[in-house]
Amino acid sequence: GEDVEQSLFLSVREGDSSVINCTYTDSSSTYLYWYKQEPGAGLQLLTYIFSNMDMKQDQRLTVLLNKKDKHLSLRIADTQTGDSAIYFCAELFSGNTGKLIFGQGTTLQVKP
Amino acid sequence: DTEVTQTPKHLVMGMTNKKSLKCEQHMGHRAMYWYKQKAKKPPELMFVYSYEKLSINESVPSRFSPECPNSSLLNLHLHALQPEDSALYLCASSQGLAGGINEQFFGPGTRLTVL
Repeated sequence: GEDVEQSLFLSVREGDSSVINCTYTDSSSTYLYWYKQEPGAGLQLLTYIFSNMDMKQDQRLTVLLNKKDKHLSLRIADTQTGDSAIYFCAELFSGNTGKLIFGQGTTLQVKP
Repeated sequence: DTEVTQTPKHLVMGMTNKKSLKCEQHMGHRAMYWYKQKAKKPPELMFVYSYEKLSINESVPSRFSPECPNSSLLNLHLHALQPEDSALYLCASSQGLAGGINEQFFGPGTRLTVL
């Protein structure tokens, strides 16, 4: 079955790098996503990676994909207090269903 | 316009009420979704519409009734809900289901409280 796992909490100091990790089980996933959710808000798509890539960089965000280990990570450089939020990784379930399987979410706390 | 809008923002209803949630997008997307999110949990998929036809119903109770009147609009009709249905209801849209990136863009959600 499909399953996506994340650690629940990460605390960093402002200016440090944050690394949020995720593991997934569906080896036929084509796309993997990172979403950010601030309190009381909807989900904001941050970035995605195609399964034939192993790295993608977008300004302060770096996504690493280890397909062999089914491990995905999101690195946020120079973390700011505005980055405090819940971060969800999600995999696109195999088949043309549009179904996203989300991890439990990692709460990122940024201390000044 | 890269926005998904949802109304109302907040809704309080009794167990005997009938109400509707509305979602709208003008990005030309042909797939639209309803998700339910409980506090401190990930979104759970409820329904998927593709080209205005229901393509996925994740075994959602019949007290939730989706409707897609046209390619820009998605409704969720609510009737005889239970207190445990209180949650944030999120709408999302994407270009399609088949192939491609299928980025899903989410609305801000409707916070539903059932008394």
